[in-house]
Amino acid sequence: KQEVTQIPAALSVPEGENLVLNCSFTDSAIYNLQWFRQDPGKGLTSLLLIQSSQREQTSGRLNASLDKSSGRSTLYIAASQPGDSATYLCAVFQGAQKLVFGQGTRLTINP
Amino acid sequence: NAGVMQNPRHLVRRRGQEARLRCSPMKGHSHVYWYRQLPEEGLKFMVYLQKENIIDESGMPKERFSAEFPKEGPSILRIQQVVRGDSAAYFCASSPTGASGEQYFGPGTRLTVT
Repeated sequence: KQEVTQIPAALSVPEGENLVLNCSFTDSAIYNLQWFRQDPGKGLTSLLLIQSSQREQTSGRLNASLDKSSGRSTLYIAASQPGDSATYLCAVFQGAQKLVFGQGTRLTINP
Repeated sequence: NAGVMQNPRHLVRRRGQEARLRCSPMKGHSHVYWYRQLPEEGLKFMVYLQKENIIDESGMPKERFSAEFPKEGPSILRIQQVVRGDSAAYFCASSPTGASGEQYFGPGTRLTVT
């Protein structure tokens, strides 16, 4: 059974810092991995999709890496801004169809 | 291109009533997924549907829950005889392809059972 863990559960940093969010999964036989952000009381916004054959994917200030052999992914956020405050969710595709989610990292960027 | 639409956004039901949650996928998407987020818990997969077919319902509770995605119209998640434990946020996602393609989520329906 696939389990996804995100560390830390919460993170608070001052504006402008670069930061890394971690995601680990127990079964390395994944298809793809997707990172989301969720604002309080809102839906999920897709940030990045990393295909299983890729090592990393970039979008603006975000960079996500994937190491299947070690069962890890990281989300790097450069030059953090208060608007980046949200919960960040990591999810792996199991069976090519359904996403298995971690519990999320609640990020607060302090002005 | 409008995103995934869900309605209602908030739904209050008394114990024993029925709840119907609707999801309209993004234009051109024929794959729909339902997830549930219980209070203080992560999102859990419930069911995966294509038009007129249930592909994977391994995450659906065995009783009271059903889902459909008819040829015309939105996907419907139906919960019969709701109980307090059904209170949660229900999210729908759609994808243009079922093969590990990027999933796009709607804003969710927050169900409260009183």
